[in-house]
Amino acid sequence: GAGVSQSPSNKVTEKGKDVELRCDPISGHTALYWYRQSLGQGLEFLIYFQGNSAPDKSGLPSDRFSAERTGGSVSTLTIQRTQQEDSAVYLCATRGVNPEAFFGQGTRLTVV
Amino acid sequence: GEDVEQSLFLSVREGDSSVINCTYTDSSSTYLYWYKQEPGAGLQLLTYIFSNMDMKQDQRLTVLLNKKDKHLSLRIADTQTGDSAIYFCAESKGGKLIFGQGTELSVKP
Repeated sequence: GAGVSQSPSNKVTEKGKDVELRCDPISGHTALYWYRQSLGQGLEFLIYFQGNSAPDKSGLPSDRFSAERTGGSVSTLTIQRTQQEDSAVYLCATRGVNPEAFFGQGTRLTVV
Repeated sequence: GEDVEQSLFLSVREGDSSVINCTYTDSSSTYLYWYKQEPGAGLQLLTYIFSNMDMKQDQRLTVLLNKKDKHLSLRIADTQTGDSAIYFCAESKGGKLIFGQGTELSVKP
């Protein structure tokens, strides 16, 4: 695709529900990152996939958070039993063989 | 320190130069980046510099890298009101991109 695509763009969910956020990378990009940006804050690293290597999950804040990347392409970030503090914008970025990493527009998650 | 650090705010007059500073953590970082985020938008890659370079210029943007001090700066010449945004620096650390907290640039007419 032309750019990194994230869906949905907005998600409102009730506390305790599970949510899935999707990231479609730029075609051919082997590296994929998830970040969280809370209101007025910087970017908090969550997880990093590189090709077929084991992902770097060191930024996941709790075991309620998980992510997978099927076939080295689309990635899904899952948050189980959502809490109000999970409300944030979730950003995905991808990178190919060149150094440039490109971001999607993000998913704004609101937990009510 | 553990974090990539930036000052939080910068205010300049239209037409002046802006200099946004960043201190990063890992001297082995291969690439350093500058991103721009406008209100309600995603992050736009402005430029990046390879760690064996001291300077990179791209139109109104000049990036300076002091590897000894692990200091990165972004200079915007002839700053315009459209440059008002939050600017993030990032380092590539073991493949991960680690970001600073962002500097909010306010350009006054």
